[in-house]
Amino acid sequence: GAGVSQTPSNKVTEKGKYVELRCDPISGHTALYWYRQSLGQGPEFLIYFQGTGAADDSGLPNDRFFAVRPEGSVSTLKIQRTERGDSAVYLCASSPYGLDTGELFFGEGSRLTVL
Amino acid sequence: DQQVKQNSPSLSVQEGRISILNCDYTNSMFDYFLWYKKYPAEGPTFLISISSIKDKNEDGRFTVFLNKSAKHLSLHIVPSQPGDSAVYFCAASAWVASGTYKYIFGTGTRLKVLA
Repeated sequence: GAGVSQTPSNKVTEKGKYVELRCDPISGHTALYWYRQSLGQGPEFLIYFQGTGAADDSGLPNDRFFAVRPEGSVSTLKIQRTERGDSAVYLCASSPYGLDTGELFFGEGSRLTVL
Repeated sequence: DQQVKQNSPSLSVQEGRISILNCDYTNSMFDYFLWYKKYPAEGPTFLISISSIKDKNEDGRFTVFLNKSAKHLSLHIVPSQPGDSAVYFCAASAWVASGTYKYIFGTGTRLKVLA
């Protein structure tokens, strides 16, 4: 497809388990962002990549969260020892370099529920 | 510290009337301001943006106004249609040294257009 693709769309897991969320950005987009949206809140920045490197990971809440983008395209957000407070919609977005509107293109999100 | 604020969590407007959604920000270094629209179970979709060097941008029924001295922007929808009912997020972006934009989102305003 032409848009940002995220899998799984829904994930239910138990407290303490490990979870991976995948994002496939729009082809050719060099910048990739992960956001987390809790109920009633706006998207909260987690991390972004420029190419393969994490340019800014200051939004990751703690060391249980980690993200990679090994080939500069697909990215995986990894959450270890999940907690109930991690339940949220995890949004991925991508952007081409130098777009003058500053627009981000979002996927539909992965809804994570930790029981 | 909430750098982008949407103080109205909800707004109801009659079909055909004007909808005005407001947003305030604190950081004078933002380069772009963007509005996103979000339907349930979907990712946010880009609506309109404005560069920090402009004070107005118009696209069809949507106009965004920027008042830099007041650090305030607003989105006007005229005329409002029932299909405009959604959550609207204000976002601000700043160019960072790593070569891309960093985006901060507000908490959203839920617009309901009454038929």
